[in-house]
Amino acid sequence: QKEVEQNSGPLSVPEGAIASLNCTYSDRVSQSFFWYRQYSGKSPELIMSIYSNGDKEDGRFTAQLNKASQYVSLLIRDSQPSDSATYLCAVYKAAGNKLTFGGGTRVLVKP
Amino acid sequence: EAGVTQSPTHLIKTRGQQATLRCSPISGHTSVYWYQQALGLGLQFLLWYDEGEERNRGNFPPRFSGRQFPNYSSELNVNALELEDSALYLCASPSRTSFSNEQYFGPGTRLTVT
Repeated sequence: QKEVEQNSGPLSVPEGAIASLNCTYSDRVSQSFFWYRQYSGKSPELIMSIYSNGDKEDGRFTAQLNKASQYVSLLIRDSQPSDSATYLCAVYKAAGNKLTFGGGTRVLVKP
Repeated sequence: EAGVTQSPTHLIKTRGQQATLRCSPISGHTSVYWYQQALGLGLQFLLWYDEGEERNRGNFPPRFSGRQFPNYSSELNVNALELEDSALYLCASPSRTSFSNEQYFGPGTRLTVT
């Protein structure tokens, strides 16, 4: 079992719709959770961080964390063609002070 | 504040050669993280340097090594290059908020081994 799992996609959504991305992690001691956006050929860009159970909203992005279910999600509201990218879920553990990444979900927003 | 910088942008080497990649963290930060993003393998943790010392390494062979200089910039060396070392090598620096554990990436170095 991988430490961090994501559906590879592609997740195809029409422009203006909500894109829903999911991520599960295996280690309960994981402390912090991040979503990165990566355009083709570019480096990952941090778009959301979440540390406690519940929802966190930032503009069109909402991150949701459920530690009991070991599940973190990202919602993109009013999806735009510029949101087309690969979204990486990352989990931080203090042991080793490193991020572990999922394989990423490719999102395609169609005009 | 200036972000994470990496050089070179692209590097082409032949099998068996050595590659040297460089990174400067966000100004004022002492930690540098190196990651490898190879096609089909995702983004994997390579090395963590802090205050000039190697603090942790991922599941990579010893031919992946590096160092951190007194100005906190870092160098990643890959010896005896193999074709499967072709990847995007990313350097990351933590944020100013020590409790957040956020990491910010540089633009990366694309290494191609032929």
